[in-house]
Amino acid sequence: DQQVKQNSPSLSVQEGRISILNCDYTNSMFDYFLWYKKYPAEGPTFLISISSIKDKNEDGRFTVFLNKSAKHLSLHIVPSQPGDSAVYFCAASIHNTDKLIFGTGTRLQVFP
Amino acid sequence: DAEITQSPRHKITETGRQVTLACHQTWNHNNMFWYRQDLGHGLRLIHYSYGVQDTNKGEVSDGYSVSRSNTEDLPLTLESAASSQTSVYFCASSESQGRADTQYFGPGTRLTVL
Repeated sequence: DQQVKQNSPSLSVQEGRISILNCDYTNSMFDYFLWYKKYPAEGPTFLISISSIKDKNEDGRFTVFLNKSAKHLSLHIVPSQPGDSAVYFCAASIHNTDKLIFGTGTRLQVFP
Repeated sequence: DAEITQSPRHKITETGRQVTLACHQTWNHNNMFWYRQDLGHGLRLIHYSYGVQDTNKGEVSDGYSVSRSNTEDLPLTLESAASSQTSVYFCASSESQGRADTQYFGPGTRLTVL
């Protein structure tokens, strides 16, 4: 049973526009959420995170929104750049554990 | 600079052989993790360790084992490799215990089992 779901396997966005990547989860015990970015032939790298006590966290061009009632989070990238082209993984964790549960990933392509 | 390394980066082996993938981190992190990445499944946890002599099974642990004899290393062993274990394997580490924390990933090992 997939507890963290990324229903869009791919997304294509024009440079300069907004990219919105979505993630849904089923376990109401999750209280910490992260986004990782992965380039080909490299390991995932941490991008941004949010605690369940917040509904928004912003870091430069990246903003993560959390809607606990809908069990949904999204990553906004504004403006999108070609260097943002990568696979993005959503991950979730439960308080007092160190384990992360990952989604299946969304491949973002930003074209000129 | 602190880092996490994996070796080999690529490995081809035959069904039934024992294979060990190395993971070494210089962050001095207590926690270490092994994942496999497969199309349509994302990253799935194989085994993890919260410290020396501590190991735990993840969601896809069958056919794999780990041991933690020091802080820096968590080798992953495939006891008898199967074609279903063809995958990309990532090692990760994190500092804290008792709460979620950012995990830092190695570059991955691509394993092919023929």
